[in-house]
Amino acid sequence: DADVTQTPRNRITKTGKRIMLECSQTKGHDRMYWYRQDPGLGLRLIYYSFDVKDINKGEISDGYSVSRQAQAKFSLSLESAIPNQTALYFCATSDKTGVGANVLTFGAGSRLTVL
Amino acid sequence: EDKVVQSPLSLVVHEGDTVTLNCSYEVTNFRSLLWYKQEKKAPTFLFMLTSSGIEKKSGRLSSILDKKELFSILNITATQTGDSAIYLCAPANAGGTSYGKLTFGQGTILTVHP
Repeated sequence: DADVTQTPRNRITKTGKRIMLECSQTKGHDRMYWYRQDPGLGLRLIYYSFDVKDINKGEISDGYSVSRQAQAKFSLSLESAIPNQTALYFCATSDKTGVGANVLTFGAGSRLTVL
Repeated sequence: EDKVVQSPLSLVVHEGDTVTLNCSYEVTNFRSLLWYKQEKKAPTFLFMLTSSGIEKKSGRLSSILDKKELFSILNITATQTGDSAIYLCAPANAGGTSYGKLTFGQGTILTVHP
């Protein structure tokens, strides 16, 4: 089984629908992240969580919300999806401190298309 | 605002060629620079560089960091078709709350033909 699992892997939805992307990890890491990838723009940070009670906005959090249900689970929600949220979404985890804290382990990605 | 620029944006070579990928950055409170390889799915970690001039090597891949000139290069020698991927660089800030909040470049798309 993968260390970081994302579901669904692919989703097509319509404008205005609520969508949830889920992420679970078996790494035992405290820190979890949601990134979005668009062609030509690299990966951009949406939200991050340093532990269950600590959730923070990233570079592009507008239109998104998150929930850290447990140490191992971090979900991303689009309350009312719009077409420019069509992208590849990655969940990632890292160690809490030290050298390993910047080495992210990524999930396989969730491709979302909003029509 | 942190800034990362990778070049070239895309590169097409033949097996056996050597390639050099570039990453220039401007970040506040720089701590380290990471390289990732992204094939069909998730980016996978290649290198983390924290000191200038010390080359990191893994087989045919090597990378070096210049903290004075604010750039890093990733070299791949004797390229193979399996090297075809997007290569991402990401400088990281120092400090506890900055860990993991990487600023990624746009990526270099490398295509290696047989």
